[in-house]
Amino acid sequence: EAGVAQSPRYKIIEKRQSVAFWCNPISGHATLYWYQQILGQGPKLLIQFQNNGVVDDSQLPKDRFSAERLKGVDSTLKIQPAKLEDSAVYLCASRSVVGGNYNEQFFGPGTRLTVL
Amino acid sequence: DAKTTQPTSMDCAEGRAANLPCNHSTISGNEYVYWYRQIHSQGPQYIIHGLKNNETNEMASLIITEDRKSSTLILPHATLRDTAVYYCIVRGLIQGAQKLVFGQGTRLTINP
Repeated sequence: EAGVAQSPRYKIIEKRQSVAFWCNPISGHATLYWYQQILGQGPKLLIQFQNNGVVDDSQLPKDRFSAERLKGVDSTLKIQPAKLEDSAVYLCASRSVVGGNYNEQFFGPGTRLTVL
Repeated sequence: DAKTTQPTSMDCAEGRAANLPCNHSTISGNEYVYWYRQIHSQGPQYIIHGLKNNETNEMASLIITEDRKSSTLILPHATLRDTAVYYCIVRGLIQGAQKLVFGQGTRLTINP
């Protein structure tokens, strides 16, 4: 089966600009996650969707970050305006809920954002 | 979620078994132990998970101590492609406690 797709793979912007990332999860996966991974650290969950509803966005900096999953499939993550400390890899993951809550998450390759 | 403690880095010779330890002394009864790995420039990849019994799949074995306060991931015949950061994560299964909380992980280097 096709994996989680993300685009773009790389993005360089200047601070105070805006940027958007796109994620297409594995077909049929109801749960979608966005993570931020700063260099040298493990991924940190930003937001979790179940279909098109938000389950957990407790660590999303809502003054500048927003995310949506309007039709319960693709998702976009936006940063406006970007700060230097937003430089990181943004990972999207999806998970099937069929069969139980122990199903693993499948991760995309990530988008590497550099803010200058 | 319970906190896990892992060594920062480890080395292993190619062809040998790589044994990666993890401490999770505050794990609760309904929390599973998950292992993921992240190869350079890729997203994390699921390896294995378990509750209290030892588990084995095509990638690795997971040994969980009887008191569940620690576990060991075993890669039986390590190859150069196993060089990665390995994350041990404790995760609940009840609604609202299912998220993965990644620590720093163990950077495993397989040497030829």
